[in-house]
Amino acid sequence: DQQVKQNSPSLSVQEGRISILNCDYTNSMFDYFLWYKKYPAEGPTFLISISSIKDKNEDGRFTVFLNKSAKHLSLHIVPSQPGDSAVYFCAANDKAAGNKLTFGGGTRVLVKP
Amino acid sequence: NAGVMQNPRHLVRRRGQEARLRCSPMKGHSHVYWYRQLPEEGLKFMVYLQKENIIDESGMPKERFSAEFPKEGPSILRIQQVVRGDSAAYFCASSTRSGRETQYFGPGTRLLVL
Repeated sequence: DQQVKQNSPSLSVQEGRISILNCDYTNSMFDYFLWYKKYPAEGPTFLISISSIKDKNEDGRFTVFLNKSAKHLSLHIVPSQPGDSAVYFCAANDKAAGNKLTFGGGTRVLVKP
Repeated sequence: NAGVMQNPRHLVRRRGQEARLRCSPMKGHSHVYWYRQLPEEGLKFMVYLQKENIIDESGMPKERFSAEFPKEGPSILRIQQVVRGDSAAYFCASSTRSGRETQYFGPGTRLLVL
């Protein structure tokens, strides 16, 4: 039972253009969402988060949008840079269930110079 | 300020042996989480510990797996009698306290069971 899904396993984008990564969830109790970036042979690195009381959060080139009614969130990276090439994981938390994060399967992003 | 440390980075075991994975949280962090990533999958929560206490072990397999976070020293994830299906990357994360604190991850231990 996959509660967090990233339906696009990979994404290729030209340097300078926008990268849009999508994430869907099924558990309506999730109320906090995070995006992590992961390079090969390294651990995930925190990028940005959003609480369910908001529908948008922005940090530099990264913006996360949350659509609670659709149980959908997205990460926008503008402009994309070659160093952004990595696997991106969406994660969700239900405060009532404790501190554990539930991760999606990841989207591999390739930014072409 | 050193990040989350994990060792060993790579571990090879034969079926039936024991695997011990260590995690030292970031300085000032007293909450530790273990996650497992199978090939081509996302990370899956295993266990959440504070010093000397297991807070949530809902993701831990019922047999062969155990975790501890003693008063002194690193957190240990122990897998007894390893099987090939235990081959995975095991990540440790830490945070300053419970609640909506960001979890910071270590580089992981890649376990290969032959």
